[in-house]
Amino acid sequence: QKEVEQDPGPLSVPEGAIVSLNCTYSNSAFQYFMWYRQYSRKGPELLMYTYSSGNKEDGRFTAQVDKSSKYISLFIRDSQPSDSATYLCAMQGNFNKFYFGSGTKLNVKP
Amino acid sequence: GAVVSQHPSWVICKSGTSVKIECRSLDFQATTMFWYRQFPKQSLMLMATSNEGSKATYEQGVEKDKFLINHASLTLSTLTVTSAHPEDSSFYICSAVRDRGADTQYFGPGTRLTVL
Repeated sequence: QKEVEQDPGPLSVPEGAIVSLNCTYSNSAFQYFMWYRQYSRKGPELLMYTYSSGNKEDGRFTAQVDKSSKYISLFIRDSQPSDSATYLCAMQGNFNKFYFGSGTKLNVKP
Repeated sequence: GAVVSQHPSWVICKSGTSVKIECRSLDFQATTMFWYRQFPKQSLMLMATSNEGSKATYEQGVEKDKFLINHASLTLSTLTVTSAHPEDSSFYICSAVRDRGADTQYFGPGTRLTVL
């Protein structure tokens, strides 16, 4: 079993839709959870960084962590074509060890 | 804050030559830097973890003699692909962490290597 599972998509939605991206994980010791956005041929860009369970909101983005279910989500409200990218979830374990999901490719159609 | 740069952004080289890629943290000191490789439409593959002043820790299956990593200062790590071959062609991305404790990775923009 992989440490982090993420549906690769692609996920295609119309402009203005609410997007829900998810990851599950197996290691209950993970404390820090991140979402990155990666455009084609670019390095990943940090979107959200959360600690432990709960919600964190930043503009149109909301990150949600449910440690009891080992499940994290990223919601994008009022999605735009410029949001089209691959979204990677990541989790931090001990000793600076990071675990990445495989990425979900999102396409927002105008 | 937390900007990471890479140089060059792309490089084309002949088979058998060596290529050096630089990763710099521009506005913070990076205790740890990571080197990743990414194939088209695939996720990041961690190659090695580099701590300033010590030897890099390589992931299983990554040849340390082929991918030389030097983390000489708190703001610079280099990856040298030695005797490059066409199968080494890939997108190489570095990332940096500010603190040994709780902090996330900040990624560079990546370097596209093409070996002819």
